[in-house]
Amino acid sequence: EVQLLESGGGLVQPGGSLRLSCAASGFTFSSYAMSWVRQAPGKGLEWVSVIHGNGGTTYYTDSVKGRFTISRDNSKNTLYLRLNSLTAEDTAVYYCAKEQRGIDYWGQGTLVTVSS
Amino acid sequence: QSVLTQPPSASGTPGQRVTISCSGSSSNIGSNYVYWYQQLPGTAPKLLISRNNQRPSGVPDRFSGSKSGTSASLAISGLRSEDEADYYCAAWDDRLSNLLFGGGTKVTVL
Repeated sequence: EVQLLESGGGLVQPGGSLRLSCAASGFTFSSYAMSWVRQAPGKGLEWVSVIHGNGGTTYYTDSVKGRFTISRDNSKNTLYLRLNSLTAEDTAVYYCAKEQRGIDYWGQGTLVTVSS
Repeated sequence: QSVLTQPPSASGTPGQRVTISCSGSSSNIGSNYVYWYQQLPGTAPKLLISRNNQRPSGVPDRFSGSKSGTSASLAISGLRSEDEADYYCAAWDDRLSNLLFGGGTKVTVL
């Protein structure tokens, strides 16, 4: 059974940083691209970033380029998202998701709140 | 504003058929698979339709997907109260190298 468990969310001040983690199990982690998708309160889904299975290729949505960094540790079956220079507009539930072009599994999400 | 366009809402009575549209362009829907997700209140999204029209195991056959050109649609037949949820379409965009989501459609069972 595929399981994705996010952690690392919380309250952070504007301009602050946070690192999200996603522990994966139930599939061969290194064989799949992994994505982060966020959802602001009361809003729709917004794709954030993707990283290929070997970690060699990454893509980002324009609004987070230069501020967020996606990475993975295939030896630990773990996906990461480093969030820097956070603003109120980054407040959202962040979902870890399996695959790139067609997400097939989602984690339960971790809430990031940016507020002073 | 989402690049994939969905109606914000749709509704029907129990047993009716509801259709949700998703409009894109040649760089996304026109050249890649469309996926549909169901998000029940307070929960994570769940894959409903993959590769335009494939139902994952466990998804009732009341749900069906189709694609033509740069548009796609999700149909829910035999509408049930438990189908009340938000529905999102998604497709990879080759020009942006981004995964695009529609703005979401809230389905209400009257």
